[in-house]
Amino acid sequence: DGGITQSPKYLFRKEGQNVTLSCEQNLNHDAMYWYRQDPGQGLRLIYYSQIVNDFQKGDIAEGYSVSREKKESFPLTVTSAQKNPTAFYLCASKDEAGRTQYFGPGTRLLVL
Amino acid sequence: KQEVTQIPAALSVPEGENLVLNCSFTDSAIYNLQWFRQDPGKGLTSLLLIQSSQREQTSGRLNASLDKSSGRSTLYIAASQPGDSATYLCAVRSDFGNEKLTFGTGTRLTIIP
Repeated sequence: DGGITQSPKYLFRKEGQNVTLSCEQNLNHDAMYWYRQDPGQGLRLIYYSQIVNDFQKGDIAEGYSVSREKKESFPLTVTSAQKNPTAFYLCASKDEAGRTQYFGPGTRLLVL
Repeated sequence: KQEVTQIPAALSVPEGENLVLNCSFTDSAIYNLQWFRQDPGKGLTSLLLIQSSQREQTSGRLNASLDKSSGRSTLYIAASQPGDSATYLCAVRSDFGNEKLTFGTGTRLTIIP
């Protein structure tokens, strides 16, 4: 099956801990995106990458980091500098000719 | 800065009724507008995409319209079904060179059997 997978479905973070959210796609898409969704708010863009080994900050990049070493993978690290990390995190991808973004099932991050 | 608003935040209607969801945006210089569906705890599924040069798009029981000059889009759902219950989000892409989507906060729709 082609699509976008995110893991884990739920993730718990302790104070001062860095955690990494996985996003993998087998759609051969060039562009990948990370969004954060909070209750009562729209999705906000954290980082995006239009090609391997390149990525740009979105609107709320502080406290997050990404890498894009492979076309199919775009992991997001939530660092200890992110003071309010509890949210639902969504990964998306889009091919160069495509007009719409395809979304993964999401990861819910909770702080212990 | 583009801002996207969806009112109401929640809507309940009896099964079988036709309904309209609203989306407004502050900057009319857009490239396209999309409507997405999100089920609880899930990702987003694209429903309809309207290019800035188009007035409407249709898919089955769904029809989306776009009025750029007034900064408004509507999503019309005909003959609603319980399976239509979900949150509906609209998102605006401001220009061709900018990949960024600006999302509204969504309307949570409940269809009452």
